[in-house]
Amino acid sequence: EADIYQTPRYLVIGTGKKITLECSQTMGHDKMYWYQQDPGMELHLIHYSYGVNSTEKGDLSSESTVSRIRTEHFPLTLESARPSHTSQYLCASSAPAGYGYTFGSGTRLTVV
Amino acid sequence: SQQGEEDPQALSIQEGENATMNCSYKTSINNLQWYRQNSGRGLVHLILIRSNEREKHSGRLRVTLDTSKKSSSLLITASRAADTASYFCATDEGGGFKTIFGAGTRLFVKA
Repeated sequence: EADIYQTPRYLVIGTGKKITLECSQTMGHDKMYWYQQDPGMELHLIHYSYGVNSTEKGDLSSESTVSRIRTEHFPLTLESARPSHTSQYLCASSAPAGYGYTFGSGTRLTVV
Repeated sequence: SQQGEEDPQALSIQEGENATMNCSYKTSINNLQWYRQNSGRGLVHLILIRSNEREKHSGRLRVTLDTSKKSSSLLITASRAADTASYFCATDEGGGFKTIFGAGTRLFVKA
């Protein structure tokens, strides 16, 4: 079944740790995205990719980085986590323009 | 930058009633989408309406688009407790490479 997977679902980590949030999709979509969303608030685009070896920063300044070495995989890395990074991170992918996004279930990150 | 803005921010209705949510946007669009988000989960795509369409239906959902007013509405008929969720509209910026989401309408359907 075509889908998009995010791991871990929940993560509690100490300040200063390096973390990688995983996102994989089985739909063969070229475009992938990372959004940050605080509870009950709007989504903010932090990174996106048009395809392999293509990554761009989004509208919200973020200290995270992403890579796109394979079409299906779009991991997000925080080199040094801080309490201000506490949020929900949503990964999504989309087919060519004119179709909706498919979202993963999200990773809820808490930095203590 | 926020393109779509939903109204109202929150809505509480009884089961069986209709729920109407509105979305306004600022720039020209190619399409507008509506999504649902259950608490703590990812968003689920509900319906996409293109700029040359005025109305679209999907089950109990009805979406309208008025490009002259830069606005859209989502109507959920005969609401159920399971419809309780946040509903977001999303629009594409001119080139269509990025989709901008609004802050959402929180719908609570009381059984």
